[in-house]
Amino acid sequence: GAVVSQHPSWVICKSGTSVKIECRSLDFQATTMFWYRQFPKQSLMLMATSNEGSKATYEQGVEKDKFLINHASLTLSTLTVTSAHPEDSSFYICSAQPAAGGPWNEQFFGPGTRLTVL
Amino acid sequence: GDSVTQMEGPVTLSEEAFLTINCTYTATGYPSLFWYVQYPGEGLQLLLKATKADDKGSNKGFEATYRKETTSFHLEKGSVQVSDSAVYFCALSEGGKLIFGQGTELSVKP
Repeated sequence: GAVVSQHPSWVICKSGTSVKIECRSLDFQATTMFWYRQFPKQSLMLMATSNEGSKATYEQGVEKDKFLINHASLTLSTLTVTSAHPEDSSFYICSAQPAAGGPWNEQFFGPGTRLTVL
Repeated sequence: GDSVTQMEGPVTLSEEAFLTINCTYTATGYPSLFWYVQYPGEGLQLLLKATKADDKGSNKGFEATYRKETTSFHLEKGSVQVSDSAVYFCALSEGGKLIFGQGTELSVKP
């Protein structure tokens, strides 16, 4: 149980275009989803916290107008990279936190999306 | 702010060798501590956790003890297998957010 999927698994786009990444919790409802960015050989950096039905909370230094997050249902959150540029190329990972989370609020991670901007 | 520091990789071991991956943390409160594993091409999976000082988390032969006095949560396994080859991340949770270390790549050779 507790499976999280991401789509697409990889995407290549031209500079200036927008890309949408979906994160779905397949077998549980997630009131909170998180979006991370991972550079090669580096750690995951939290970009934003997304709560169902409300605006996302962005971490310091993350441009909210560039990385649009929508959490429209308890099983789906989307990250849209607007006007993508080569420096946005990265591995984007989402995680979902069940509505009935344990005392330490376990997050379940998706497999990630590799974005390459040409 | 809170942070996690792991020993740098890659770590290369022979099968059945003893594994230690060091992890230390800095936190203002009393965080929960985790080890996650990322196998090639897959998402992160929770390996083990500890929620308070002196707790020992264990799973699949791996274990780690929450040491408040040394602010550490070192990962150990007595005998590694080729299938343990992966990237291991130490993390802490405070206020509902996870803060990760930089990850340590482990490669186990037959």
